[in-house]
Amino acid sequence: EIQLVESGGGLVKPGGSLRLSCVASGLNFKYAWVNWVRQVPGKGLEWVGRIKSQVDDETTEYNSPVRGRFTISRDDSKNTAFLQMDSLQSDDTAMYYCSTPSFFSDASGSYFRNDFYIWGQGTLVTVSS
Amino acid sequence: EMVMTQSPATLSVSPGERATLSCRASQSVTRFLAWYHQKPGQAPRLLIHDVSNRATGIPVRISGSGSGTEFTLTISSLQPEDSGVYYCQQYNNWPLTFGGGTKVEIK
Repeated sequence: EIQLVESGGGLVKPGGSLRLSCVASGLNFKYAWVNWVRQVPGKGLEWVGRIKSQVDDETTEYNSPVRGRFTISRDDSKNTAFLQMDSLQSDDTAMYYCSTPSFFSDASGSYFRNDFYIWGQGTLVTVSS
Repeated sequence: EMVMTQSPATLSVSPGERATLSCRASQSVTRFLAWYHQKPGQAPRLLIHDVSNRATGIPVRISGSGSGTEFTLTISSLQPEDSGVYYCQQYNNWPLTFGGGTKVEIK
């Protein structure tokens, strides 16, 4: 069974930093793509960013509200992805989920979709003075 | 940014009845549309990808349809465990975006 477990959330002051971790099990992590998605309590879902696998050059993409402040990285030896959050603002307060996409195979190979198949349980980040 | 609009905001349906949820995209998403179900206190769960393909373990009473900019999620016979919020998500354009959700209540 594939599992993702996030940690590292907590209370941080505006302008501060926090580093979230996402530990994966039950999959060949070095080939996995990892997304981060956040959700303000009681509100909808917002994609934060994604990191591809080392095979895919560990390419990262970010949504505009976090670009330049958040950095996604990975350590395949520890089956872990990270979300480094700097210059935090009050509107970054949210539950943060990591997620891996589904994939499909055809005659020419295997491909990831840009959906969110496996999710962690989330870690809550509160930005407040 | 592609805007996804879901309707209705809230849907109240009796057990065994059909529930129909709509999702409209601000421009075509071709076939790159997914649906999720979220219960209180839980992470979302992928139901449907590529408009109409059920994810692993999703019951046949849940189905997706549509094309271009108009999409529908249908639950043919609502069960108590189907309550919660449903989100659509497009993955045709960057950034990946979600609809605002439809809350399904059991009458």
